[in-house]
Amino acid sequence: GENVEQHPSTLSVQEGDSAVIKCTYSDSASNYFPWYKQELGKRPQLIIDIRSNVGEKKDQRIAVTLNKTAKHFSLHITETQPEDSAVYFCAARPAGNNRLAFGKGNQVVVIP
Amino acid sequence: DVKVTQSSRYLVKRTGEKVFLECVQDMDHENMFWYRQDPGLGLRLIYFSYDVKMKEKGDIPEGYSVSREKKERFSLILESASTNQTSMYLCASTAGAGMELFFGSGTQLSVL
Repeated sequence: GENVEQHPSTLSVQEGDSAVIKCTYSDSASNYFPWYKQELGKRPQLIIDIRSNVGEKKDQRIAVTLNKTAKHFSLHITETQPEDSAVYFCAARPAGNNRLAFGKGNQVVVIP
Repeated sequence: DVKVTQSSRYLVKRTGEKVFLECVQDMDHENMFWYRQDPGLGLRLIYFSYDVKMKEKGDIPEGYSVSREKKERFSLILESASTNQTSMYLCASTAGAGMELFFGSGTQLSVL
């Protein structure tokens, strides 16, 4: 089955700096890659996703890039703010499969 | 507004008890999922369902069963609770493959 790994497990950044989280996946047939944000004590929520026919997608301060050849995708957060502090989960969905394989999560801490 | 509702936010049970965790969604979604979340282990899929009375095992089904008698309701059952089942349990639903996964608020289960 699909195996998703996230790096680094914890990331601390100064407010205003950029944060980058990278995920690798194992199944070359995977075609959908969402990112979920989970604030402390709250449910995970989708913040951005990308499909395999696209290399990059942006939504205000967040962007996701996909490298299908290398089988990795990354979340980029620019101009970080304290409210960006959370656990971020990446996931991948193999083609023909309705279940997502999640990474273990990254704790991002934005230092004011 | 999309809603996935889990019946209990916190639950304390004794070893050997039968435990029911209930989840209801109001979005007419076909697909429903049960995950457990443990520190450092991310989101692990226990069971999922594509349709009423249909169920499939996820990655860690041992010690659990599920029931989906109605489209909107998906129940997770611990036949005989054990201490290693102490965890946060998250229910989720989605309209289909490659669509946003909506999570409930979670049930923090403690088995003593």
